[in-house]
Amino acid sequence: DSGVTQTPKHLITATGQRVTLRCSPRSGDLSVYWYQQSLDQGLQFLIQYYNGEERAKGNILERFSAQQFPDLHSELNLSSLELGDSALYFCASSVAGDGNEKLFFGSGTQLSVL
Amino acid sequence: AQKITQTQPGMFVQEKEAVTLDCTYDTSDPSYGLFWYKQPSSGEMIFLIYQGSYDQQNATEGRYSLNFQKARKSANLVISASQLGDSAMYFCAMRDGRDDKIIFGKGTRLHILP
Repeated sequence: DSGVTQTPKHLITATGQRVTLRCSPRSGDLSVYWYQQSLDQGLQFLIQYYNGEERAKGNILERFSAQQFPDLHSELNLSSLELGDSALYFCASSVAGDGNEKLFFGSGTQLSVL
Repeated sequence: AQKITQTQPGMFVQEKEAVTLDCTYDTSDPSYGLFWYKQPSSGEMIFLIYQGSYDQQNATEGRYSLNFQKARKSANLVISASQLGDSAMYFCAMRDGRDDKIIFGKGTRLHILP
């Protein structure tokens, strides 16, 4: 158990809908990362937050948004869903998000858009 | 821009043999870190080993070692005495000093044969 909690584990929804994925980092970790894993694109970095502030941004679509709350949990919001958004979404955390700390990954949320 | 390349989509290796998984990277920043993660069929991401760009010696963690060749920009993972439980997807990843995102290669699927 990595200590990072992601909910829900599975999500099935329809095109055009909006969903929210939730992540609770390990106790004491201030930095949260979001990744999208699809079969053809591998692990794509979406966005990173540190202590409530956005720190780094990857190839995150405009339809996607995220935030980190004062209690350090994070949510990834996906809207106007398309079939191609079906993927495994990982959250990871680290203590400070700089230097070269390893990431601790949650078990992921499997999103299926039908 | 940062780039990670894993050129071996899949590998088949006999149990107890040593395995080398290739990873090359590209960055213009002199300060960076390299990581390897394992993803078994259950889906979780497991940290294996880390190498910093200024580390003088190659990193080792049990049966895992990282063959770091800075001039060639390669960071190959070596697994000694492979076991059936090593069958998994393996990802190479990098963070450079300019920002905090960690990017991943597309992975190598390793199959250990009995």
